[in-house]
Amino acid sequence: NAGVTQTPKFQVLKTGQSMTLQCAQDMNHNSMYWYRQDPGMGLRLIYYSASEGTTDKGEVPNGYNVSRLNKREFSLRLESAAPSQTSVYFCASSVSIYRYEQYFGPGTRLTVT
Amino acid sequence: AQTVTQSQPEMSVQEAETVTLSCTYDTSESDYYLFWYKQPPSRQMILVIRQEAYKQQNATENRFSVNFQKAAKSFSLKISDSQLGDAAMYFCAYRSADQAGTALIFGKGTTLSVSS
Repeated sequence: NAGVTQTPKFQVLKTGQSMTLQCAQDMNHNSMYWYRQDPGMGLRLIYYSASEGTTDKGEVPNGYNVSRLNKREFSLRLESAAPSQTSVYFCASSVSIYRYEQYFGPGTRLTVT
Repeated sequence: AQTVTQSQPEMSVQEAETVTLSCTYDTSESDYYLFWYKQPPSRQMILVIRQEAYKQQNATENRFSVNFQKAAKSFSLKISDSQLGDAAMYFCAYRSADQAGTALIFGKGTTLSVSS
């Protein structure tokens, strides 16, 4: 099992450009999450998907959109990137939102210039 | 709202020694989970140990153990027989068991360095 995979690992964007971060899990988990990690701070939730076909906002959703493509895949889209979105992005999954373990992908380091 | 506080930005330990990382949290809930995650330089977030609030017994995973004090809202991580591979940032995290859809709430982390 690969667990949770994310692509790309690194990305540099110019202000105003758009891009989509991809996440996939092969653990048959129902719930998936997107977090961002900024220096000096813990991870903060951007969006989550409790199950296929549902998505909800987390703590810091502004400037992002998500798509739960199927049970395995959950993408995060930046429509018009801003320097404030420079961060490391983590995808995670869990059996359900009622289960406590979340398993994380390796992260994507995004720089917006 | 729940908060998690890690008051030690950095800690250091020598190989084979024991180190304790501190974590306190604030919540009005009675049922929740607590976790310690390790983040090595590779950035991968690795679950180290978890504790269910309704369990009085402290969780243990090999060289890692916790001291869970529910009344004091304290959840410290003890690493015994420290190894060079333990060097990483450690995050304490909280998750409500009562509310659907809540995420992990993380502290700001403690950077642990291990010297030989």
